[in-house]
Amino acid sequence: DAEITQSPRHKITETGRQVTLACHQTWNHNNMFWYRQDLGHGLRLIHYSYGVQDTNKGEVSDGYSVSRSNTEDLPLTLESAASSQTSVYFCASSDLHEQYFGPGTRLTVT
Amino acid sequence: AQSVTQLGSHVSVSEGALVLLRCNYSSSVPPYLFWYVQYPNQGLQLLLKYTTGATLVKGINGFEAEFKKSETSFHLTKPSAHMSDAAEYFCAVRGGNFNKFYFGSGTKLNVKP
Repeated sequence: DAEITQSPRHKITETGRQVTLACHQTWNHNNMFWYRQDLGHGLRLIHYSYGVQDTNKGEVSDGYSVSRSNTEDLPLTLESAASSQTSVYFCASSDLHEQYFGPGTRLTVT
Repeated sequence: AQSVTQLGSHVSVSEGALVLLRCNYSSSVPPYLFWYVQYPNQGLQLLLKYTTGATLVKGINGFEAEFKKSETSFHLTKPSAHMSDAAEYFCAVRGGNFNKFYFGSGTKLNVKP
């Protein structure tokens, strides 16, 4: 069965370190998304991609970057982790009709 | 522009009672509408969706939602709550370019025994 996976599931890092969160989907979807989920804010869009070599900023993109070198993967990089980036991160991919979500990565920045 | 408003960040019902979670949207194009459910420490799972056709949509676990264009609403209902329904529910609308999704802030449903 097609799926979307995220790794690691849990990560603790220190302020100032670079961190990369992986997202891999086997749906063969062109569209992929990164969200963060914080109490009281619901899901906020960080970055999204509509295909290979395409990346776009979402509503909370400062301090984050993505790259899309193939259809399956959209890694999210925190250039210099800050405590404000402690959150749960969800990756998603979509076809014409719905989004499919990964299980999430809980990131703690100390 | 597209946006979603979910009324009530927390809703509490008794087991066996009616569940009603409210969602209003704004959309500049005919909307695709979704309800997702998130159980603790898990990702979001699609509950049901409206794209075109019948305005009353049935989903998994006995949930249904009705698209009311005149009220710009897509409220989620279930006739009889079960303890296993305790979760967070998100309403979403698909954007005008059909590639972006806009989510509400979520409603946590608590089911009392």
